[in-house]
Amino acid sequence: RKEVEQDPGPFNVPEGATVAFNCTYSNSASQSFFWYRQDCRKEPKLLMSVYSSGNEDGRFTAQLNRASQYISLLIRDSKLSDSATYLCVVNTVPGGSYIPTFGRGTSLIVHP
Amino acid sequence: EAQVTQNPRYLITVTGKKLTVTCSQNMNHEYMSWYRQDPGLGLRQIYYSMNVEVTDKGDVPEGYKVSRKEKRNFPLILESPSPNQTSLYFCASSSFNEKLFFGSGTQLSVL
Repeated sequence: RKEVEQDPGPFNVPEGATVAFNCTYSNSASQSFFWYRQDCRKEPKLLMSVYSSGNEDGRFTAQLNRASQYISLLIRDSKLSDSATYLCVVNTVPGGSYIPTFGRGTSLIVHP
Repeated sequence: EAQVTQNPRYLITVTGKKLTVTCSQNMNHEYMSWYRQDPGLGLRQIYYSMNVEVTDKGDVPEGYKVSRKEKRNFPLILESPSPNQTSLYFCASSSFNEKLFFGSGTQLSVL
């Protein structure tokens, strides 16, 4: 089983829709969590860090559920410009080392 | 400006001709890493480094070398490139257990 799993999609939604992605992780010792956005053939860019209490940035809301070991990203009022691949990243810190693990990404297509 | 600088942006080469992709960061990050990205496979880690002179293999290290002689630089070396190393490569850096900063990527084609 892959350590970090995402539904690859694509999620195909109309402008203005609300869409949610989940990302599950297998290591209960994981310590920090992030959502990145990646446009085609560009570098991933940080969208949001994910905190235990949940956090919101404009139309984007991230949640962490440690008991069920998943993080989520909610996008409200989708824009055409939100079309991209969304990557979740989970950091594990075993024995003084540090391992960021990526999901394969979820593709979002927002259409007019 | 805080950044990860990766060069070149595009590279076309032939099988067996040694090449180096450079990566430099100006944020005094301990952690640096190289990834390759291929269609349908996501980002796969090649090598990473926790600090100067400390490097470790990632998931797909075969055919690659790295070095970390200075904290800011983490070059990726292909001693004898092969066509199956044609890919999009990203360098990244971070402080321990923090968010990653990525370079702009290198599109490598090995003919």
